[in-house]
Amino acid sequence: DAKTTQPNSMESNEEEPVHLPCNHSTISGTDYIHWYRQLPSQGPEYVIHGLTSNVNNRMASLAIAEDRKSSTLILHRATLRDAAVYYCILRDVVRGAQKLVFGQGTRLTINP
Amino acid sequence: EAGVAQSPRYKIIEKRQSVAFWCNPISGHATLYWYQQILGQGPKLLIQFQNNGVVDDSQLPKDRFSAERLKGVDSTLKIQPAKLEDSAVYLCASSSLGLVSYEQYFGPGTRLTVT
Repeated sequence: DAKTTQPNSMESNEEEPVHLPCNHSTISGTDYIHWYRQLPSQGPEYVIHGLTSNVNNRMASLAIAEDRKSSTLILHRATLRDAAVYYCILRDVVRGAQKLVFGQGTRLTINP
Repeated sequence: EAGVAQSPRYKIIEKRQSVAFWCNPISGHATLYWYQQILGQGPKLLIQFQNNGVVDDSQLPKDRFSAERLKGVDSTLKIQPAKLEDSAVYLCASSSLGLVSYEQYFGPGTRLTVT
């Protein structure tokens, strides 16, 4: 399984932008980069995904390096509700089915 | 759209006892996953079904864990006999083959404590 590396924890202030980094130096050409987050006492939820180009949705933006060996999840204006563990995942394919391998993730703390 | 349902939400058992968890995925989702999440770690995939066939069970401890998905809808995960190290949150997720994002939708999980 391809691996990702993320900082264990990060801290930011409410209403400020947050940049969550992820390194994936062993990424292959067909691996999609997925981000999920897990709020306290809940199951993970999908945030965003991309392959080569930067992506935006209502929750966040995903900036992917040109060599695809790293990416950054951007929360444009953090709220207290964004405090969660954020997982950067390379989506794998096993016998034609999609597979996510979760790492430790980054625990994001938002200060009021 | 109703989300992934799981029951029970909490379970406390003694070691060597048996336990079963139930999952009802989102209607129409062909793929169903069971994950184990130990405190402080990310979820680990135990088994993946596509309809009622097993796609990947490489990380399922088959001497004590079993799972089934009859009729390609609901699923149950069983542990028999339980060990102390099985204390964890068991998450069920589902996804649709038709989604471009292959987004997985997770249930709230069942927190198992083995004493």
